[in-house]
Amino acid sequence: SAVISQKPSRDICQRGTSLTIQCQVDSQVTMMFWYRQQPGQSLTLIATANQGSEATYESGFVIDKFPISRPNLTFSTLTVSNMSPEDSSIYLCSVALGSVAGGLSEAFFGQGTRLTVV
Amino acid sequence: KQEVTQIPAALSVPEGENLVLNCSFTDSAIYNLQWFRQDPGKGLTSLLLIQSSQREQTSGRLNASLDKSSGRSTLYIAASQPGDSATYLCAVANNDMRFGAGTRLTVKP
Repeated sequence: SAVISQKPSRDICQRGTSLTIQCQVDSQVTMMFWYRQQPGQSLTLIATANQGSEATYESGFVIDKFPISRPNLTFSTLTVSNMSPEDSSIYLCSVALGSVAGGLSEAFFGQGTRLTVV
Repeated sequence: KQEVTQIPAALSVPEGENLVLNCSFTDSAIYNLQWFRQDPGKGLTSLLLIQSSQREQTSGRLNASLDKSSGRSTLYIAASQPGDSATYLCAVANNDMRFGAGTRLTVKP
């Protein structure tokens, strides 16, 4: 298993500002992902954080709005840039090991960052 | 693109009842399926992981089944308790993970 520490756990931010969320894992992991969960909704994948290269973004998410860093196999950051009230969500970091057959093994999640933009 | 559907969206039962939550997915080419629990405003806690080659997994009062060919999974909760009240999410994994919208379960004392 993997233990994930995500910081901050919550924040209230002014519109137009940026917030960087940190995700620290207690072991080296192959896959790291960032998700958004809007109020009352399920999880939507923002991007896959790739170690040593640019993140892979899902449709509807762009690097200028959600820049991601992954300097090593245990750490990643997600920045929510130029925030608006529509960015108010829970942001979740997830990790998974690669499976022998390819694809993902079991996934683990941090406790999330509850962001409110006012 | 993989689509994951969970039925029902919400469920309210009296304490002690056995219940079944359903998950369906459109693309059977998955590596595994995972059931999670989410308490309000919190992250996700992994409950059960079923590999694509497996038919079911059990943990305590929870039993999850997988029928990959028909694109279905069920989560069975035996002898439900008020502490089981939460949202239950299923997710299917290939090279990434896709989630259903969840079933919000309320177990009344």
